Amino acid sequence: AQKITQTQPGMFVQEKEAVTLDCTYDTSDPSYGLFWYKQPSSGEMIFLIYQGSYDQQNATEGRYSLNFQKARKSANLVISASQLGDSAMYFCAMREAGYSSASKIIFGSGTRLSIRP
Amino acid sequence: NAGVTQTPKFQVLKTGQSMTLQCAQDMNHEYMSWYRQDPGMGLRLIHYSVGAGITDQGEVPNGYNVSRSTTEDFPLRLLSAAPSQTSVYFCASSYRKTSNEQFFGPGTRLTVL
Repeated sequence: AQKITQTQPGMFVQEKEAVTLDCTYDTSDPSYGLFWYKQPSSGEMIFLIYQGSYDQQNATEGRYSLNFQKARKSANLVISASQLGDSAMYFCAMREAGYSSASKIIFGSGTRLSIRP
Repeated sequence: NAGVTQTPKFQVLKTGQSMTLQCAQDMNHEYMSWYRQDPGMGLRLIHYSVGAGITDQGEVPNGYNVSRSTTEDFPLRLLSAAPSQTSVYFCASSYRKTSNEQFFGPGTRLTVL
């Protein structure tokens, strides 16, 4: 069964510093996708970045990058030069391709990131 | 495009009442899903659909029904509300089941007394 683990319930980071949010996953499917979402205090879910299991390079989207270490089953989110607006809950998620008619996406429990001015 | 819309935004029910949470998308997305988010937890998948007429169960389907009669709409029905169903409910959609991005609605905050 697929599983996502985020071991950091909360983090405090100084503004302009880089921050790494941890995510490990477990799956027996060789084909899968990994996602990160941001949930600000307003409650909406905002897609940040995606990494496919067969992608050779780490995904990047602006200040976000995904540090994908396949052998370790790790998909950490790196935010460079953090900003006050980065304060939010961050969720790691995974989708297995599988052989079923549809692929489910499951979420980790999240990390609450707080940026200090 | 309105994206993914959900109604109502807030709802209070008494135990045993039934209701339907509405979800609609105008992006012609094949894949739609419902999640619930409880305090301090991530999102858990309730039901999902890969197209009109096709639905399947997620992680926590008990107490909920869905149907997908059109591509645009994916309502979630609570048959007999229980306090354990107090949660924030999110509807999401994507172009295909394998799409890299899901678009989320704004959520419905449901309280069952």
